[in-house]
Amino acid sequence: KQEVTQIPAALSVPEGENLVLNCSFTDSAIYNLQWFRQDPGKGLTSLLLIQSSQREQTSGRLNASLDKSSGRSTLYIAASQPGDSATYLCAVTGTYKYIFGTGTRLKVLA
Amino acid sequence: KAGVTQTPRYLIKTRGQQVTLSCSPISGHRSVSWYQQTPGQGLQFLFEYFSETQRNKGNFPGRFSGRQFSNSRSEMNVSTLELGDSALYLCASSPQGAGRADTQYFGPGTRLTVL
Repeated sequence: KQEVTQIPAALSVPEGENLVLNCSFTDSAIYNLQWFRQDPGKGLTSLLLIQSSQREQTSGRLNASLDKSSGRSTLYIAASQPGDSATYLCAVTGTYKYIFGTGTRLKVLA
Repeated sequence: KAGVTQTPRYLIKTRGQQVTLSCSPISGHRSVSWYQQTPGQGLQFLFEYFSETQRNKGNFPGRFSGRQFSNSRSEMNVSTLELGDSALYLCASSPQGAGRADTQYFGPGTRLTVL
């Protein structure tokens, strides 16, 4: 049974800091991994999608890496801003199913 | 393109009642997935529909059911509501669904409160 864990559960950093969010999964037989952000009471916004054959994806200040063999992915946020404050979720895809992680609640202080 | 829309946005029901939630995917998307989000359990997969067929189902009781229409719009039904069904229900659409290099696009959710 696939289990997805995110560490840390919560993080508070000053503006401008670079930070890393972690995502671990127990079954390496995945099709892809996706990172999302969720603002309070809202739906999810897709940030990056990494296919199982890829090692990383970049979008602006965000960089996500994937190491299938070790069951890990990281989301790197450069030069964090208060607008980055949200909950970040990773999700892995199996056969017709997405399994979400527990989320990291990020607060960037001005 | 219009995004994923969900109706209604908020619902208040009492125990024992039933409820139907609606999701309209992005035009051209054939896969619709439903999720339940609660503070205690996080985001849990309910089921996925593709071309009117349920392809996969999460570990939820039979009170939770769904369907998809020929225009890809989907509905989710919960019968005999329990207090624990209070949650944010999210739907997501993608062109081909899980198992492909698809990005999922989420709707804003329906907040269901069961009293």
